[in-house]
Amino acid sequence: EVQLVESGGGLVKPGESLRVSCAASGFTFTNAWMSWVRQAPGKGLEWVGRIKSKVNGGTADYAPPVQGRFAISRDDAENTLYLQMSSLKTEDTAVYFCVTEGLDSRGWYGKFDHWGQGTLVTVSS
Amino acid sequence: DIQMTQSPSTLSASIGDTVTITCRAGQSISSWLAWYQQKPGKAPKLLIYQASSLQSGVPPRFSGSGSGTEFTLTINSLQPDDFATYYCQQYYSYRTFGQGTKLEI
Repeated sequence: EVQLVESGGGLVKPGESLRVSCAASGFTFTNAWMSWVRQAPGKGLEWVGRIKSKVNGGTADYAPPVQGRFAISRDDAENTLYLQMSSLKTEDTAVYFCVTEGLDSRGWYGKFDHWGQGTLVTVSS
Repeated sequence: DIQMTQSPSTLSASIGDTVTITCRAGQSISSWLAWYQQKPGKAPKLLIYQASSLQSGVPPRFSGSGSGTEFTLTINSLQPDDFATYYCQQYYSYRTFGQGTKLEI
């Protein structure tokens, strides 16, 4: 059974940094493309960024609102995904979900087939 | 980035009804579109991918169609468990979600 367990959320002040983690199990993490998706209180879903598997280059891409402030990394030996958040703003307050990206029938990544329960990050003075 | 626009924002329906939610992309995304269901306090659940492929374990009363810029999610014979918020998501270029459609009684 696929399990994704996020941790590390909490209350931080504007301008501060925070790292959240996602412990993965039940699948071959090394081969997985992973994304972070966030949801501000009472709002919709927003894609944050994605990291490819190392065999596909291991590169990360980000949504414009977080480009240059957030960094996604992975530790394949520990089956763990990370989201390092810097220069945090009040508008970054959200539940952050760790998500697996599955392949569709044409071999294209991007469907979010497994989700963690999320970790709440609150940015407030 | 590719903008995704859902309509309506809120939809009122009754048990047994058939409803349709529309999602429009700001540019052609071929069939690289997924639909999700989210209930309050829970993580979203994948329903449909590649515009019309049903995710394993999802009831066949859910169906998706469309390609290019116009897509629909249809739910036949609404059940009590179907009242939730639905999101579309493109994965043609990076990833973007629609703003959501709340399906209420």
